[in-house]
Amino acid sequence: AQKITQTQPGMFVQEKEAVTLDCTYDTSDQSYGLFWYKQPSSGEMIFLIYQGSYDEQNATEGRYSLNFQKARKSANLVISASQLGDSAMYFCAMRETNAGGTSYGKLTFGQGTILTVHP
Amino acid sequence: DAGVIQSPRHEVTEMGQEVTLRCKPISGHDYLFWYRQTMMRGLELLIYFNNNVPIDDSGMPEDRFSAKMPNASFSTLKIQPSEPRDSAVYFCASSFVLAGDSETQYFGPGTRLLVL
Repeated sequence: AQKITQTQPGMFVQEKEAVTLDCTYDTSDQSYGLFWYKQPSSGEMIFLIYQGSYDEQNATEGRYSLNFQKARKSANLVISASQLGDSAMYFCAMRETNAGGTSYGKLTFGQGTILTVHP
Repeated sequence: DAGVIQSPRHEVTEMGQEVTLRCKPISGHDYLFWYRQTMMRGLELLIYFNNNVPIDDSGMPEDRFSAKMPNASFSTLKIQPSEPRDSAVYFCASSFVLAGDSETQYFGPGTRLLVL
């Protein structure tokens, strides 16, 4: 079963508008972390934002915010005031707790959403 | 501060040849991860180390793949012999954990490998 699901293969947004990229996850862990990364056409992976499962407030980093709905197991990325440079692939990822109880396991990535910002 | 450094950035080789990918993590980071990205399988973790010790290598596809971390500032991923299906972008990432921190993984620029 997919642990991270990004249902939008591609999204389009007008410059200066806001856009929401969807991410749902599946885990039985009580403690986990959710991440968003950006991959522009140049190929590098750029960390954007992190949300811990125990964080009560939604994470924000500049124009990025994470709409965390724990009961629905969703962690959507909201980009406000889109810019042309936001055009890229966006990945949602989850870090689960190891079986031994330590918190540093692998990141599981979704398939990504390609965002295109139109001028 | 320098980020994660990977070399080479591009590698073209012929089937059957040995390929060695190199990674220098961010100084002070105690976790190092090797990922592979392909169109078919997306991003998948191959192996990760903590304090130079391999912790989980369950993602290593087969015995042709091996990874080492002889010290805190250097790791290699070796494919021997290489096959065309190994063609992919290989990323190295590192992280450092403080109690209560997000243990964010920071990625290197990747090595684009093409096996002919």
